[in-house]
Amino acid sequence: DTAVSQTPKYLVTQMGNDKSIKCEQNLGHDTMYWYKQDSKKFLKIMFSYNNKELIINETVPNRFSPKSPDKAHLNLHINSLELGDSAVYFCASSLGGQIYNSPLHFGNGTRLTVT
Amino acid sequence: KQEVTQIPAALSVPEGENLVLNCSFTDSAIYNLQWFRQDPGKGLTSLLLIQSSQREQTSGRLNASLDKSSGRSTLYIAASQPGDSATYLCAVTPNSGNTPLVFGKGTRLSVIA
Repeated sequence: DTAVSQTPKYLVTQMGNDKSIKCEQNLGHDTMYWYKQDSKKFLKIMFSYNNKELIINETVPNRFSPKSPDKAHLNLHINSLELGDSAVYFCASSLGGQIYNSPLHFGNGTRLTVT
Repeated sequence: KQEVTQIPAALSVPEGENLVLNCSFTDSAIYNLQWFRQDPGKGLTSLLLIQSSQREQTSGRLNASLDKSSGRSTLYIAASQPGDSATYLCAVTPNSGNTPLVFGKGTRLSVIA
């Protein structure tokens, strides 16, 4: 009964392709996030959704498009993949957003390799 | 702009030793500070969350302190075990609207049996 699950775990694809990563949480949380961890292990927020509404959109190329069909799911679609998109992408969730002092729960990550 | 720094980047200790991991942040205007653990190939696990009004939090062998005015936090691990080996990350939530959680780069801890 994984709390935050994302698929696939590994994704290897060629430049120019379009790919999606799926995320689901069964914690009843209303806020979900996508983070990117680069080769230097630095974690950076990409998007945050609260009850299916986008609340944080950091400086991310518009090739990245998040979609939240309901508050338990937040998927990430990436168009025209580039070499620099290679990273580990983490989905996370929390109850009530960060300012309500609720800890983040992370998925196990999707390692994306673009060749 | 909030920045979070963790020193050292890596630490190796013998089993049984008590140790302290350090975290500093540049802007004291925060809602909370969180400590996470990341195992290789895994996501992050939340260890402790300290609200801005609190000074410390404890969970088992872990104790985290927060000195907001000086922009510092420490994570104390008592009687370290090989299973404690992981990367420990510190993150702060700035209290300006929907500013996202800002992470440090982590301290990679190795506990040697």
